[in-house]
Amino acid sequence: DSGVTQTPKHLITATGQRVTLRCSPRSGDLSVYWYQQSLDQGLQFLIQYYNGEERAKGNILERFSAQQFPDLHSELNLSSLELGDSALYFCASRQTGGNTGELFFGEGSRLTVL
Amino acid sequence: AQSVTQPDIHITVSEGASLELRCNYSYGATPYLFWYVQSPGQGLQLLLKYFSGDTLVQGIKGFEAEFKRSQSSFNLRKPSVHWSDAAEYFCAVGASGGSYIPTFGRGTSLIVHP
Repeated sequence: DSGVTQTPKHLITATGQRVTLRCSPRSGDLSVYWYQQSLDQGLQFLIQYYNGEERAKGNILERFSAQQFPDLHSELNLSSLELGDSALYFCASRQTGGNTGELFFGEGSRLTVL
Repeated sequence: AQSVTQPDIHITVSEGASLELRCNYSYGATPYLFWYVQSPGQGLQLLLKYFSGDTLVQGIKGFEAEFKRSQSSFNLRKPSVHWSDAAEYFCAVGASGGSYIPTFGRGTSLIVHP
């Protein structure tokens, strides 16, 4: 158990719909990362938050948005869903302070768009 | 920009045989290097990491990896593979300065034959 919690584990929805994925980082971790894992693209970085503020953006579509709340949990919002958005979405957190660089991953949210 | 290459998409070994998974990275300075393992339906679990110091690092589950700066490589090894090692393995690199966004390789799928 990494200590990172993601919900829901599985989600099936239709094209054009909107979904919200939720992530609770490890206790005390201020950094949250979102990655998308698909068969053809591998593990792609989407966005990072640190203590409520956006820190870095990767290959995140304009239809996608995220935020980190004061209690440090984060949500990834995916709208106007397309078939190609079907993927496994991971949240990860990073230890605050020190010189450690590893990310701790949740078990992911598998999104299927029909 | 940093990048990671895992040349082997699939590797098949017999149980009890030795294993080496290849990883090459591109980064100007000394990177943070990681190997993660992903079992079906699970998140990514850290096997081992390299930041500095001894270039041969030991990890969990009997894995080790060697950092070779001259070859820009960080290959993962295990002397004797167990059937439970069948999984997807990811190499990752993190830059030691600036915005910290680990980049992942495409992964190597390990198949273990009895």
